[in-house]
Amino acid sequence: EVQLVQSGAEVRKPGESLKISCKTSGYSFSDYWIGWVRQMPGRGLEWMGIIYPGDSEIRYNPSFQGQVTISADGFNSSTYLQWSSLKASDSGMYYCARHRSYDILTGFGFWGQGTLVTVSS
Amino acid sequence: DIQMTQSPSSLSASIGDRVTITCRASQRISTHLNWYQQKPGKAPKLLIYTASNLQSGVPSRFSGSGSGTDFILTISSLQLEDFATYYCQQTYTTPPTTFGQGTRLEIK
Repeated sequence: EVQLVQSGAEVRKPGESLKISCKTSGYSFSDYWIGWVRQMPGRGLEWMGIIYPGDSEIRYNPSFQGQVTISADGFNSSTYLQWSSLKASDSGMYYCARHRSYDILTGFGFWGQGTLVTVSS
Repeated sequence: DIQMTQSPSSLSASIGDRVTITCRASQRISTHLNWYQQKPGKAPKLLIYTASNLQSGVPSRFSGSGSGTDFILTISSLQLEDFATYYCQQTYTTPPTTFGQGTRLEIK
């Protein structure tokens, strides 16, 4: 059974750094693109970027490029989302999600439970 | 970026109703369109991929159609558990893929 389990809720101050994680199981981690989706409070879904753990190729949404870093660790079958300097506008729910198949056009078929990030002074 | 516009933004319906939600792309996207359902406090769930393919485990009352710029999600007979927010997503261009703004389906 494919499972994605995300790290717990975080509270940080503006300017602080943060790295959240998504640990996967039940499939060959290196073989599927996996990505991150943001949902700000009361808002819709925003595709942030995806990574292919097999060769670490990353595709960022230009809106998020330079603002976050996506990475993967094959040894731990985990993907990470990292900020070096948080802003209040980074507050929201962050989901990791794996594509339903090798074909990334067919959408995210498996999701983590979400990590709530709150940035407030 | 390709813009995805859903209509209506919200919808009230009754158990047993047939419901349709429309998604329009700002340019042609072939059939690279997926539909998700999201319930409050939960992660989205994939319902339909590539416009008309039912994701494994999703009830057959859900169906999708369309190609080019106009797409429809249909729920043939609403059940209590279907009241949620629905999103379309285009995957014709990556990066980024883009989602519609969502359609909130409420009980009448």
